[in-house]
Amino acid sequence: DGGITQSPKYLFRKEGQNVTLSCEQNLNHDAMYWYRQDPGQGLRLIYYSQIVNDFQKGDIAEGYSVSREKKESFPLTVTSAQKNPTAFYLCASSSIRGGSNQPQHFGDGTRLSIL
Amino acid sequence: KNQVEQSPQSLIILEGKNCTLQCNYTVSPFSNLRWYKQDTGRGPVSLTIMTFSENTKSNGRYTATLDADTKQSSLHITASQLSDSASYICVVSAGSQAGTALIFGKGTTLSVSS
Repeated sequence: DGGITQSPKYLFRKEGQNVTLSCEQNLNHDAMYWYRQDPGQGLRLIYYSQIVNDFQKGDIAEGYSVSREKKESFPLTVTSAQKNPTAFYLCASSSIRGGSNQPQHFGDGTRLSIL
Repeated sequence: KNQVEQSPQSLIILEGKNCTLQCNYTVSPFSNLRWYKQDTGRGPVSLTIMTFSENTKSNGRYTATLDADTKQSSLHITASQLSDSASYICVVSAGSQAGTALIFGKGTTLSVSS
């Protein structure tokens, strides 16, 4: 079945540590996105990529980094510079054909907590 | 400032009853409006996408309406089931490029009880 796989489902970070969240899709989508979801808040865009080897900052990119070396993969690194990393992280993908009317397909998220 | 406001914040209904969720937006330029369903601990799943010219769209027991003049949308759920218990998120697209200018509401949490 086509879809988006995020791993791990739960992740714990120690002070000063960088952690990497994995996101893989087999939908052949060009565009991929990372969102952060906090309780009682709407999703906020961290980074997005519309083509391999290119990505753009979203609204809250500080303290995060990404790479897009393959079409299928868009890993997110939460660096030690992100002082409040505890949140639910969602990866999504979409086709760019047809413009902005394409739905985003989401993975089932990674919940990151501080030790 | 682009904003999407949803009401109510939470709702409890009995199984089999109907309900309507509201979404008001101030987003410009408007491209489309989406409704997503998010089960606890899962990612959102798309229910409907409506462009400016569409004023109603159905997906099974879910029917979304859009009034672009008043900038309001509603999601009507018919004959609710226990599996409808979830958060329902209204999202407005402000851009012409896929996914780069989505404004997310905070969601309405629906609980369906037996």
